[in-house]
Amino acid sequence: EAQVTQNPRYLITVTGKKLTVTCSQNMNHEYMSWYRQDPGLGLRQIYYSMNVEVTDKGDVPEGYKVSRKEKRNFPLILESPSPNQTSLYFCASSLGWSSPLHFGNGTRLTVT
Amino acid sequence: AQKITQTQPGMFVQEKEAVTLDCTYDTSDQSYGLFWYKQPSSGEMIFLIYQGSYDEQNATEGRYSLNFQKARKSANLVISASQLGDSAMYFCAMRGFWDMRFGAGTRLTVKP
Repeated sequence: EAQVTQNPRYLITVTGKKLTVTCSQNMNHEYMSWYRQDPGLGLRQIYYSMNVEVTDKGDVPEGYKVSRKEKRNFPLILESPSPNQTSLYFCASSLGWSSPLHFGNGTRLTVT
Repeated sequence: AQKITQTQPGMFVQEKEAVTLDCTYDTSDQSYGLFWYKQPSSGEMIFLIYQGSYDEQNATEGRYSLNFQKARKSANLVISASQLGDSAMYFCAMRGFWDMRFGAGTRLTVKP
């Protein structure tokens, strides 16, 4: 089944404890991206990647890192999480420019 | 910079009636894509419909149609014959060169 898989679905952590949210797609998509969703703000792009080893900042990249060493994987790294990074995170991928994004099921992160 | 505006935080519609969800956008790009996504209470993001900036015909997908008015920079979603299962958040999104920006969303409630 074609899908984008994010893990974990839920994560509660403490300020400053490094964490990684994994994202994997099995559709051979070149484009992958990360979003955070906050009430009243919609989805805001954190980082995106056009292909292996090619990444760029979105609108809200501060406090996040990404890497794209393989086409299928695009992990999101929070080196030192803070409470303002409490949010719902989505990973997404697409085949091309006019193709819709395929979303993962989301990761609800709480930083205390 | 690109911007997406959804001015209706919440909408109500009677079952079996049609409803229009508004979306306006701002971009200096000549080539762009417009998307609508649905997010039910379960949280997943579901792609509904796509319109390219050079498409002359309005896009339709079943009960969904996109009322594209390029000169006014609007891309409203029309849902015909609303069903109870249409109750959800709806997001308008625009794709520029590589990034995809989303509006803040409209919560649609279908009344029986």
